[in-house]
Amino acid sequence: GAGVSQTPSNKVTEKGKYVELRCDPISGHTALYWYRQSLGQGPEFLIYFQGTGAADDSGLPNDRFFAVRPEGSVSTLKIQRTERGDSAVYLCARPRLKAGYFNQPQHFGDGTRLSIL
Amino acid sequence: QKEVEQNSGPLSVPEGAIASLNCTYSDRGSQSFFWYRQYSGKSPELIMFIYSNGDKEDGRFTAQLNKASQYVSLLIRDSQPSDSATYLCARTNAGNMLTFGGGTRLMVKP
Repeated sequence: GAGVSQTPSNKVTEKGKYVELRCDPISGHTALYWYRQSLGQGPEFLIYFQGTGAADDSGLPNDRFFAVRPEGSVSTLKIQRTERGDSAVYLCARPRLKAGYFNQPQHFGDGTRLSIL
Repeated sequence: QKEVEQNSGPLSVPEGAIASLNCTYSDRGSQSFFWYRQYSGKSPELIMFIYSNGDKEDGRFTAQLNKASQYVSLLIRDSQPSDSATYLCARTNAGNMLTFGGGTRLMVKP
């Protein structure tokens, strides 16, 4: 949705497993954001990429979470040794405009619903 | 204190009425403000953004910003049952990430 494709749409896995969540924004957007939304709450910021580098990863909850964007387009959020508390909807977003990304509105993908059993 | 606060609701209004949704924020460095609508099971959808004090109108929606009082509001005129959703208020500061409130659930009754 909104020029951001996220896969898979749903992921169910067992506690302790490793998961990868993918975000593919429409071309030309150098900025890309990851958020996490738990049930009944607003989305919470995880990490923000500017090109290939993580410009701000202050929202990653711990070192089990890692994200990459090696070619400046597709990004992968990786979670090691998953815990039940990681269950949430993981959202990827792009800025509204390709240039001048500061303080811009963001458009969200449809999200990946992650369930840890 | 949360950075962005919203009453969780539900706010119930009759069809055709004006729905008024409010949001307060604590960081005076906040620069830009956004309203998102989220239907159950869907991702947030941008409906309004406002950068300057005052009102901004777009169709049935009006966003209002008062930086001195640190509040943002969203008015929905002629509310329709299809407006029933959770409305999320968000802001950015010098950084680029959005900080969201918990959302207000709006119910528009026919």
